[in-house]
Amino acid sequence: GDSVTQMEGPVTLSEEAFLTINCTYTATGYPSLFWYVQYPGEGLQLLLKATKADDKGSNKGFEATYRKETTSFHLEKGSVQVSDSAVYFCAPSPMKTSYDKVIFGPGTSLSVIP
Amino acid sequence: DTEVTQTPKHLVMGMTNKKSLKCEQHMGHRAMYWYKQKAKKPPELMFVYSYEKLSINESVPSRFSPECPNSSLLNLHLHALQPEDSALYLCASSHRFLAGDLYNEQFFGPGTRLTVL
Repeated sequence: GDSVTQMEGPVTLSEEAFLTINCTYTATGYPSLFWYVQYPGEGLQLLLKATKADDKGSNKGFEATYRKETTSFHLEKGSVQVSDSAVYFCAPSPMKTSYDKVIFGPGTSLSVIP
Repeated sequence: DTEVTQTPKHLVMGMTNKKSLKCEQHMGHRAMYWYKQKAKKPPELMFVYSYEKLSINESVPSRFSPECPNSSLLNLHLHALQPEDSALYLCASSHRFLAGDLYNEQFFGPGTRLTVL
């Protein structure tokens, strides 16, 4: 069945460090791919998305590239800030016969320390 | 307006109480969702409404009863809940809930934190 594997953390980084959160998925067809972020005490927000192979989604300094050959959508940021401390969810949206259902990964908790 | 609002923000209820959670969006979205999120876990889909009709019920116990009175509103009626139902309940909406809708990102509300005593 459809599934997503994501490094669970927690991940602790110093400010200005480089961030990578790995995400791989198995899904039927060519899903749309999303990263959602959840800041403490809040709901989820869409961080970025990609809808076809080799697309690069980017937002707030974060980037992720849709790699069809490796079925991956790794999240990266060159220089993290304390305000990036949150939980990050990789979320492919596989195409079913009648609807698209989002599958959330387990989430990666990121703490950035000054 | 790109916001999904949820009320109340916090709710404490006993196992014999009846309460309702409310969700509202004014983005013209025709798909609305209820999720349950336990601490340190991803959201779990409970219900999906598409064009005000219930499309998905993920085998949720009948003590949870969803309602979609119109395209902007979504309610979740709660009755005879158990302590294990304590969680963050998230509402979301998206443009549509159809296959092949490549821009089907979901917009989430801030959630209602529910505690069942």
